[in-house]
Amino acid sequence: NAGVTQTPKFQVLKTGQSMTLQCAQDMNHNSMYWYRQDPGMGLRLIYYSASEGTTDKGEVPNGYNVSRLNKREFSLRLESAAPSQTSVYFCASDGVRGRFGETQYFGPGTRLLVL
Amino acid sequence: AQTVTQSQPEMSVQEAETVTLSCTYDTSESDYYLFWYKQPPSRQMILVIRQEAYKQQNATENRFSVNFQKAAKSFSLKISDSQLGDAAMYFCAYRRKGTDKLIFGTGTRLQVFP
Repeated sequence: NAGVTQTPKFQVLKTGQSMTLQCAQDMNHNSMYWYRQDPGMGLRLIYYSASEGTTDKGEVPNGYNVSRLNKREFSLRLESAAPSQTSVYFCASDGVRGRFGETQYFGPGTRLLVL
Repeated sequence: AQTVTQSQPEMSVQEAETVTLSCTYDTSESDYYLFWYKQPPSRQMILVIRQEAYKQQNATENRFSVNFQKAAKSFSLKISDSQLGDAAMYFCAYRRKGTDKLIFGTGTRLQVFP
């Protein structure tokens, strides 16, 4: 199993450009999440999806949109990138069953630089 | 609102020694989970250990163990026989059972010296 995968690993954007970060999981998890991590801070939740077809705002949703394409995939879109969105973005997923139910597993992260 | 506090921005330990990282949290809930995640320079977030609040026994995973004090709302991580590969950022996190949100502390950077 690959677990949680993210593409791209690194991206440079100019202010105003748009892009979509892709995330996929092969663990048959229902819930998926997008976080951002800034220097000196823990991870902050941007959006999450408790199940296919549903999405909800997290702590810092402004400037982002998400799509839960199917059970495996959850994408994050920046419509008009701003320098304040320079960050490392993590996707995560979790399920409710098993020894580690309700435990989030993370992808490797996408480092985004907005100039 | 629930909060997680890691009061040690940086810690250091000698190889083979033991180190304890502190975490406190604030919640009015009684059923929840607590986690420690490790983030090495690769930036990958790796689950180290998980504790369920209704279990009195402290969780252990090989060289990693926790001291869970529910009344004091304290959840410290003890790393025994520290290794160079343990050098990383460590994040404490809280999750109320049955909810989707994971709340992170600001992290502790652990350095391991040979």
